[in-house]
Amino acid sequence: QSALTQPASVSGSPGQSITLSCAGSSSDIGRYNHVSWYQQHPGEAPKLVIYDVNARPSGASDRFSGSKSGNTASLTISGLQAEDEADYHCSSYAGSDTYVFGPGTRVNVL
Amino acid sequence: EVQLVQSGGGVVQPGGSLTLSCAASGFTFDDYMMHWVRQVPGKGLEWVALITWNGDITDYAESVKGRFTVSRDNRKNSLYLQMNGLSPVDTAVYYCARRRAGGNYLDSWGQGTLITVSS
Repeated sequence: QSALTQPASVSGSPGQSITLSCAGSSSDIGRYNHVSWYQQHPGEAPKLVIYDVNARPSGASDRFSGSKSGNTASLTISGLQAEDEADYHCSSYAGSDTYVFGPGTRVNVL
Repeated sequence: EVQLVQSGGGVVQPGGSLTLSCAASGFTFDDYMMHWVRQVPGKGLEWVALITWNGDITDYAESVKGRFTVSRDNRKNSLYLQMNGLSPVDTAVYYCARRRAGGNYLDSWGQGTLITVSS
């Protein structure tokens, strides 16, 4: 059982915006502004798309944006494209240099 | 270009041992804390272990504590995960990952290596 909670899947049509949620607790998401999101295509390693709640690493699409409210973080994908179809894992710093993850959300582009 | 290239995966019997390796290039390896993360096929990610830049501090998930040992050789730019007492629940893809310097996130990941524990 994962420490963070994510919906199993979210679907959207090309061009739409979708929002993925990630629920944690006061010990992780609620305590630290260090939420990350990783995109993972089948058979590939996770790729960082958002860090520190809402920062984008160099090379990540500006269609990805993040936010946090209380113990819940969100990732919004704007202008959904076929290439966005993948699993998205949220992660939070959990103190003492450790991390917790969610089970991942499968994004389906209809 | 930052690269983390993993090796050492395979099939092992329950109770067996295996060592994973992660060769780093494209950055100053001994400036970085390194981690291991695993993923049961079709499931989410699970943090497994960390090691500080000089190896003086390590930490483990409760699920592997006492069985897994993380180490590094900065002269060889390499990270290792020695796994003993393996059980079927340890079957997963194992990733090495770099923690961003000055940050609290994992910014680069190896390609992953599948460990299957089965008789």
